[in-house]
Amino acid sequence: KQEVTQIPAALSVPEGENLVLNCSFTDSAIYNLQWFRQDPGKGLTSLLLIQSSQREQTSGRLNASLDKSSGRSTLYIAASQPGDSATYLCAALAGKSTFGDGTTLTVKP
Amino acid sequence: NAGVTQTPKFRILKIGQSMTLQCAQDMNHNYMYWYRQDPGMGLKLIYYSVGAGITDKGEVPNGYNVSRSTTEDFPLRLELAAPSQTSVYFCASSLQTSYEQYFGPGTRLTVT
Repeated sequence: KQEVTQIPAALSVPEGENLVLNCSFTDSAIYNLQWFRQDPGKGLTSLLLIQSSQREQTSGRLNASLDKSSGRSTLYIAASQPGDSATYLCAALAGKSTFGDGTTLTVKP
Repeated sequence: NAGVTQTPKFRILKIGQSMTLQCAQDMNHNYMYWYRQDPGMGLKLIYYSVGAGITDKGEVPNGYNVSRSTTEDFPLRLELAAPSQTSVYFCASSLQTSYEQYFGPGTRLTVT
């Protein structure tokens, strides 16, 4: 059974800092990995989808990497802003989807 | 495009009552999913569908039923509501399996 872990559960950083969020999965037989953002009381917004054949995907200040052999994905956020404060979830997509519990990020002005 | 829509946004049920959560998508996606999210947790898959007339169980299907008579709609039925079903329910869709998933705004359900 696939298990997805996100560490740390919460992270607080000052504005302008670069940061990395981690996502690990136990079964490397995934097709794709997707990162989401969730604001309090809201739905999920897709940030990046990394296909299994890719190692990286970039969108603006966000860069996500995928290493299937080690069962890890990272989401790099450059020059963080208070508006980046949210919960970030990753999902391993392999037929059925398995989500991590998320990392709640607070960026302080 | 409206994307994925869900109704209602909020609902309070008494124990033992039943209800249907509605989900619709206008992106002509084949795959549709129902998840529940408990406070501080990730999402758990309840049911999913690979096309009209075809559904399958996810990780936590007990207490729920689904049907998919059209490509666009994927309602979730709760029979005999229990307090353990208090949660936020999200519907999602994707073009194919393991493709990018798009989510609706969610339904916040309380069973008392």
